[in-house]
Amino acid sequence: ETGVTQTPRHLVMGMTNKKSLKCEQHLGHNAMYWYKQSAKKPLELMFVYSLEERVENNSVPSRFSPECPNSSHLFLHLHTLQPEDSALYLCASSQGTSGTGELFFGEGSRLTVL
Amino acid sequence: DQQVKQNSPSLSVQEGRISILNCDYTNSMFDYFLWYKKYPAEGPTFLISISSIKDKNEDGRFTVFLNKSAKHLSLHIVPSQPGDSAVYFCAAINSGGYQKVTFGTGTKLQVIP
Repeated sequence: ETGVTQTPRHLVMGMTNKKSLKCEQHLGHNAMYWYKQSAKKPLELMFVYSLEERVENNSVPSRFSPECPNSSHLFLHLHTLQPEDSALYLCASSQGTSGTGELFFGEGSRLTVL
Repeated sequence: DQQVKQNSPSLSVQEGRISILNCDYTNSMFDYFLWYKKYPAEGPTFLISISSIKDKNEDGRFTVFLNKSAKHLSLHIVPSQPGDSAVYFCAAINSGGYQKVTFGTGTKLQVIP
């Protein structure tokens, strides 16, 4: 496996469900990110982890809970979501958290909240 | 408040012609600018970048121009190919802080054979 892989690719959940998105990077990077892409909106940075420590929480509601158990894995735990949370959730990684902005993205997890 | 703006949501160009994608920004602290390309059902991939100390960077068919006084950058693709059809995101970063990349809304480019 290479690059950044995300599972599941598609997820449909009710507002009372609890689910998790998983991201794994095979690039030896030490920083990982969650982005949200909604229709007609810019990609929004949600969380940044550097060396498994959260360094950025971009005013994200607590119904989104990230977890970074090691530098290769990143999770986004979801609970009591709202329909407006339906979006494409993208995971990315980079070598370090300061630099020239080059991120390596996964293919995304398309989330639909009913 | 959108700090990176792509005002054209879509662009159609004939194969072989030049594609010009535009981007404006408001934050004068940005010191690197990037273009990402995204195909359907795939994540964005890095295409080309430019430092704020330069006004042009070229990589094969892709050239990015930066006009700092106008806070404007553009991506030129010459010649355009059908495989270039994708959504192009303009992005910017202040490299002095955490790698907080700010993205535009994207421009969907269609290259017509």
